[in-house]
Amino acid sequence: GAGVSQTPSNKVTEKGKYVELRCDPISGHTALYWYRQSLGQGPEFLIYFQGTGAADDSGLPNDRFFAVRPEGSVSTLKIQRTERGDSAVYLCASSLPDGDPRFFGPGTRLTVL
Amino acid sequence: GNSVTQMEGPVTLSEEAFLTINCTYTATGYPSLFWYVQYPGEGLQLLLKATKADDKGSNKGFEATYRKETTSFHLEKGSVQVSDSAVYFCALSDRNSGSRLTFGEGTQLTVNP
Repeated sequence: GAGVSQTPSNKVTEKGKYVELRCDPISGHTALYWYRQSLGQGPEFLIYFQGTGAADDSGLPNDRFFAVRPEGSVSTLKIQRTERGDSAVYLCASSLPDGDPRFFGPGTRLTVL
Repeated sequence: GNSVTQMEGPVTLSEEAFLTINCTYTATGYPSLFWYVQYPGEGLQLLLKATKADDKGSNKGFEATYRKETTSFHLEKGSVQVSDSAVYFCALSDRNSGSRLTFGEGTQLTVNP
């Protein structure tokens, strides 16, 4: 079956612009996670959804970052007033409710010029 | 808080050489431990895991043993192949951190024929 997909695969934007990154989880996976991976670093947790609600958003770095999952499937990570420091690969993962194992998507590489 | 420390890379080996990638952790709870692998152009994949002390996780010839006394989870393989070239991430999760995974910085492995 299909794995986790993320679109776009690459996004280049200018400082100050707004971007949306999309994640399509594996069908039937109620848990969805967003991570951010900067160059040469391991992924860092951003937010976790169980169904439609954000069960843990403590990893979001500031209020410019927001994520939604209105129907409990597709999720969108939204970044307002982008900054050069937001440049990274944004990873999405999904799992069954017990969280194990987690299946990761290929990521969206965001570049803020 | 939780943290994971991996040996610095990159690591370059010849085919059939023995591999060790060191991983140590700090956790407030009693964590589960994981190794993830990221092949070029692909998403993170779970390689193996261990959920309690002295457990050994194994997959594809790789092994790692959960050592509570040394807070370590070193990855080993007796004979590496060119196809093992990838970035390897050590990670942990525990009940105190909810569903988040804490990752190490990753170790780039290159295996030459």
